[in-house]
Amino acid sequence: GAVVSQHPSRVICKSGTSVKIECRSLDFQATTMFWYRQFPKQSLMLMATSNEGSKATYEQGVEKDKFLINHASLTLSTLTVTSAHPEDSSFYICSARYAGKYGYTFGSGTRLTVV
Amino acid sequence: AQTVTQSQPEMSVQEAETVTLSCTYDTSESDYYLFWYKQPPSRQMILVIRQEAYKQQNATENRFSVNFQKAAKSFSLKISDSQLGDAAMYFCAYLSGNTGKLIFGQGTTLQVKP
Repeated sequence: GAVVSQHPSRVICKSGTSVKIECRSLDFQATTMFWYRQFPKQSLMLMATSNEGSKATYEQGVEKDKFLINHASLTLSTLTVTSAHPEDSSFYICSARYAGKYGYTFGSGTRLTVV
Repeated sequence: AQTVTQSQPEMSVQEAETVTLSCTYDTSESDYYLFWYKQPPSRQMILVIRQEAYKQQNATENRFSVNFQKAAKSFSLKISDSQLGDAAMYFCAYLSGNTGKLIFGQGTTLQVKP
């Protein structure tokens, strides 16, 4: 149980285009989802907290206009990287709280390459 | 703000031996939880072990155990009888009971030698 499906697993896009990453909770309702960014062999950096039906809360230094987060339903949160540039290339991971205070599960991640 | 520090970028251990990964954290909160996550080459995050801050007893999960020193804000992971499949990047993480945010340390890459 408590599975989060993240798609796509890999995406290559051209500089200046936008790309959408989806995270779906398959067997539970996720009122809160988190989006992380991870550079190779580095830590997961929290980008934003996504709450169903309300605006996302972004961490300091994260451009909210570049990284658009939508959490329109209890099972789906999306991250759209707008006007992508090569420096946006990274590994993006979503996470959802599924039980109590400390039940968290992670998506399998999306490797974004901007060329 | 809360911080998590892992001071060992890389560690290695001989198969069947024991290794300890270090983690320290800083917080002024009283309601929090601590975790160790494993990230293999697939990059899927896997929960290894969890510790509630209000519990004095150290958590144990099979070959994995923690040494939780609350006053020192230290949370180390001991892996006993290391196996080749334990090779991965390990992250220490802090969960705020107030905000629900999970904050990760820098990670330690563990190599297991046959």
